[in-house]
Amino acid sequence: KAGVTQTPRYLIKTRGQQVTLSCSPISGHRSVSWYQQTPGQGLQFLFEYFSETQRNKGNFPGRFSGRQFSNSRSEMNVSTLELGDSALYLCASSLTQGSEGYTFGSGTRLTVV
Amino acid sequence: QQQVKQSPQSLIVQKGGISIINCAYENTAFDYFPWYQQFPGKGPALLIAIRPDVSEKKEGRFTISFNKSAKQFSLHIMDSQPGDSATYFCAPRGSNYQLIWGAGTKLIIKP
Repeated sequence: KAGVTQTPRYLIKTRGQQVTLSCSPISGHRSVSWYQQTPGQGLQFLFEYFSETQRNKGNFPGRFSGRQFSNSRSEMNVSTLELGDSALYLCASSLTQGSEGYTFGSGTRLTVV
Repeated sequence: QQQVKQSPQSLIVQKGGISIINCAYENTAFDYFPWYQQFPGKGPALLIAIRPDVSEKKEGRFTISFNKSAKQFSLHIMDSQPGDSATYFCAPRGSNYQLIWGAGTKLIIKP
C-alpha cells in the first residue's frame, strides 16, 4: 500500500512569505502529526490532528498552523516566514491517536532565503 | 519535565561488531519505548519498541534492553552491517500520546 506522501519535496521561499505543505496519510490512518527537524534542535513536535481536530500542539508560535480534512489529508501553514524556519518538515500518520508506530513521510525540505 | 537524553551523539563501529545506543529518561509515566531509524533524505522509521513490563525484546539483530529502575533503555545492534549506517532516535511516549524524541545518534559502520 502507498506510504505517507508529502508534497512538495523541496521548497524555497523568501523571508516574510507564507507556505503551505501537504500530507496524505496511509489509507485508513486517521491521525496525522507534524514535526520540524533541524540539525540543531532535532525533531520537534508541531501538532497532531485526529478526526479533523487538533489534539496536541507543540511549543511553536502561532505562525505555524495546520488543519485536517475529512479524508484525513492534512496541511500545515507557516506565515511570515523567518530564516530560522528553514528545516525538514515531516508528517507522520497512524491509525488512531495513540497508536503505536507512526509511519513517516520523506518530508518537505523548506529553505527560507 | 519530559526529558530524554540519548548517547552517544555519534558512533563508529567495525562491520560485524556490536553497536550500543543509550537513552535515559526522567518521566516515569512513559508507557512505550520505541527506537526509530532514519536514513538521509527519508523520514524516521520504527525499528523496534518495548513496553515497560518487559526487560528485553529481540527482533533479528536488534535488541532493546529496558531498565525501569535506572530509567534507561538501550538499542543493541549485533553483527553490525554497513547498511545499518543511519541516525537512530529513541522516542518514549509520554502524556497525550506524544513522543519525546532524543537528539539522535549518528551510527557509521566501517566495512
